[in-house]
Amino acid sequence: DIQMTQSPSSLSASVGDRVTITCRASQGISNSLAWYQKKPGKAPKLLLYAASSLGTGVPSRFNGSGSGTDYTLTISSLQPEDFATYFCQQYYTTPLFGPGTKVDI
Amino acid sequence: QVQLVQSGTEVKKPGASVKVSCKASGYPFSDYGISWVRQAPGQGLEWMGWVSAYNGNTKYADKVQGRVSMTTDASTNTAYMALWSLKSDDTAVYYCARDRRLSDYSSKWYPFTYWGQGTLVTVSS
Repeated sequence: DIQMTQSPSSLSASVGDRVTITCRASQGISNSLAWYQKKPGKAPKLLLYAASSLGTGVPSRFNGSGSGTDYTLTISSLQPEDFATYFCQQYYTTPLFGPGTKVDI
Repeated sequence: QVQLVQSGTEVKKPGASVKVSCKASGYPFSDYGISWVRQAPGQGLEWMGWVSAYNGNTKYADKVQGRVSMTTDASTNTAYMALWSLKSDDTAVYYCARDRRLSDYSSKWYPFTYWGQGTLVTVSS
């Protein structure tokens, strides 16, 4: 079975900071990787899919990259509404989410 | 516009069962599947399984296999997730999500663009 890890598990940042979150799969997943933003009391929001394709209506400050087993989510300039928890998800096989990265002040 | 509206909060005792509904609108219901994802308090997202609204095919996560049933009703555009033999660690917010996977004949899986608002299920004695 594929395992997913994320790093860091949490980070503190300020508005305007560049933030990078890493997701690693235990085997190659052929860019079948999505990123979600999760806020308390809200449903997850799809940010990126196919590793680097922006979801509908998602601001361009969100960028995804990577291949094989290693993937990265970058927020180029953190905005107040970006403080949330971010999850990667592989869908190369039955869907599996990473453990999450909490971004706070 | 695509909408998924879930049923309300449930409080159950250990050993009981729960059935959560997810009413879809804004798209041809039988052209998609529905996946169910849950989040326990302070924990991450856990995919529980998928049901095809086209032919009723299902695929369940190993963790809940044998305790879960996912079904759809095309007459009401509603998907259901039933979970029985509830335990305290089933306490979670349960989400439905529209899934592009239509049939078990396909090996492809997809990300989830549209989600329900979530249903809190609390299991407590």
